[in-house]
Amino acid sequence: TQLLEQSPQFLSIQEGENLTVYCNSSSVFSSLQWYRQEPGEGPVLLVTVVTGGEVKKLKRLTFQFGDARKDSSLHITAAQPGDTGLYLCAGPGGGSSGSARQLTFGSGTQLTVLP
Amino acid sequence: EAGVAQSPRYKIIEKRQSVAFWCNPISGHATLYWYQQILGQGPKLLIQFQNNGVVDDSQLPKDRFSAERLKGVDSTLKIQPAKLEDSAVYLCASSIGTGGPSTDTQYFGPGTRLTVL
Repeated sequence: TQLLEQSPQFLSIQEGENLTVYCNSSSVFSSLQWYRQEPGEGPVLLVTVVTGGEVKKLKRLTFQFGDARKDSSLHITAAQPGDTGLYLCAGPGGGSSGSARQLTFGSGTQLTVLP
Repeated sequence: EAGVAQSPRYKIIEKRQSVAFWCNPISGHATLYWYQQILGQGPKLLIQFQNNGVVDDSQLPKDRFSAERLKGVDSTLKIQPAKLEDSAVYLCASSIGTGGPSTDTQYFGPGTRLTVL
């Protein structure tokens, strides 16, 4: 069974601060995805990382895939209240059919950015 | 382009009652997923359809949950009878259904929040 552990579970910071959240596994993943979920909505894909050591930037968000493809991090610079939400990492596979299109999600990091 | 539609958005029932959720995926998407998201957790896959066939339902509690996608488009998820532990958000997602996992993006609907009393 492929498990993804996310930390911290909760994070509350002031506007303008920087933060990093983590996604770790004992399994190797061919790729990892990061989603943001706002209250009352479904998760929305932010980025997919596919190469070990890869770094992707999306405005103030920086995503990194570990060299061994077992972990990933999300760094937010100068956080804003609009960044508030549940950040989920997900990797392919995990179902009994072996379908690579299935996603296994971590439990998420609930981020609150206070104005 | 219209997104994934789900209804109802909220449902409150008593234990042992029945409930059904409806999902309309993005037009042209062959793959449809139902997830259960319990408060404080990430989504857990319940069932995956490819067109109108089931790809994986290994995590669907089949003694009380059922799902169908008869014409390969809309889908319904039913719970009968409901238990207290079924309280969760039920998310529907769809994807084009081709390519690998890094390219076959899943698009999620807003979910149905179920409360079982």
